[in-house]
Amino acid sequence: DGGITQSPKYLFRKEGQNVTLSCEQNLNHDAMYWYRQDPGQGLRLIYYSQIVNDFQKGDIAEGYSVSREKKESFPLTVTSAQKNPTAFYLCASSLAGSTGELFFGEGSRLTVL
Amino acid sequence: AQRVTQPEKLLSVFKGAPVELKCNYSYSGSPELFWYVQYSRQRLQLLLRHISRESIKGFTADLNKGETSFHLKKPFAQEEDSAMYYCALLEKYNNDMRFGAGTRLTVKP
Repeated sequence: DGGITQSPKYLFRKEGQNVTLSCEQNLNHDAMYWYRQDPGQGLRLIYYSQIVNDFQKGDIAEGYSVSREKKESFPLTVTSAQKNPTAFYLCASSLAGSTGELFFGEGSRLTVL
Repeated sequence: AQRVTQPEKLLSVFKGAPVELKCNYSYSGSPELFWYVQYSRQRLQLLLRHISRESIKGFTADLNKGETSFHLKKPFAQEEDSAMYYCALLEKYNNDMRFGAGTRLTVKP
């Protein structure tokens, strides 16, 4: 079953803790993205990666970190430095140099208690 | 950096009425623009892209470089069109894709 999978769907965390959200794809896509979705603000780009071992900051990278050690995986760590981490996080992937179609995961909702 | 603006957060029309969702962009290069849609309890998905000049589910969008706009239009809205719509702009050389704030369209019976 091909696609892009995010886990967990729901996550609760105490203030001061780091948490890592998983994103895996078996579409053989080169590019992967992390967006944050907040009501009224749409999708804001956190980080994206065009190829393995390379990634770039988006508009709101502060307080987040990523890695791209494998083509199929692009985990996002929400660190304790992120001031307002409670949000819905979306991962996406696309073929680099393609017509720009992004394939999205179902999302992960993080709540900081 | 590129920017995408969707001025309407909410839009409500009656079934059978025309609908236009506005999108304006700022970008110094040659833009590639897209409309994405998220139906209730479904994943965000591509609706259409300007480069294809296609009509999907009765929707069309024309790139107007003079007005830096890419408005989404449909002549006769249907109830199943109710969804969240996002305009997006791709910076091709580095695959940087930016989205607008989104417009929630409600089509009333």
